[in-house]
Amino acid sequence: EPEVTQTPSHQVTQMGQEVILRCVPISNHLYFYWYRQILGQKVEFLVSFYNNEISEKSEIFDDQFSVERPDGSNFTLKIRSTKLEDSAMYFCASSAAAYNSPLHFGNGTRLTVT
Amino acid sequence: RKEVEQDPGPFNVPEGATVAFNCTYSNSASQSFFWYRQDCRKEPKLLMSVYSSGNEDGRFTAQLNRASQYISLLIRDSKLSDSATYLCVVTQTGANNLFFGTGTRLTVIP
Repeated sequence: EPEVTQTPSHQVTQMGQEVILRCVPISNHLYFYWYRQILGQKVEFLVSFYNNEISEKSEIFDDQFSVERPDGSNFTLKIRSTKLEDSAMYFCASSAAAYNSPLHFGNGTRLTVT
Repeated sequence: RKEVEQDPGPFNVPEGATVAFNCTYSNSASQSFFWYRQDCRKEPKLLMSVYSSGNEDGRFTAQLNRASQYISLLIRDSKLSDSATYLCVVTQTGANNLFFGTGTRLTVIP
């Protein structure tokens, strides 16, 4: 069964540093997402991406965040200057269609900001 | 007001028991409904979609009540492997993202 893959599985970085989290969505999917989950809290939407542009973003997704699809397979999330509160599990997801289509999640990148 | 509200539990039930989880959503324009399960420190995985007429998948039954803005999940004959957090998930018309509840934690005891 095709799956969404994410790298690295764990990233440790110092406050103020830039990080790039990488994702390879399922190949025939058209919609891509980033979610995050702070330990012990709910899964929170960050951004959705379709047709090479952001389709929606949440209040969490401020100017420190950006997404890119640099080639036909990768989908990246960049945090320019990490803060302690950015420590969380970051999940990439993809779907074949919008709205009614369920999301397939990657196994996540645990980001620890020290 | 939270978009999606769930009883966080935990629910501790013996093997073989029937357990039900409830979820309410605040936006009447919500369009699609799902139950996901999440194991500890793992990604959410789709358990089942929830249809207006209700639907069943083996031991799992999902119900939707649009008038009351209420979704339920029933698990029959609980197995140890059902131990997980169950997430109620909702999408809204015109919105291309999912709103997650905080999840209900289930532990099935031998």
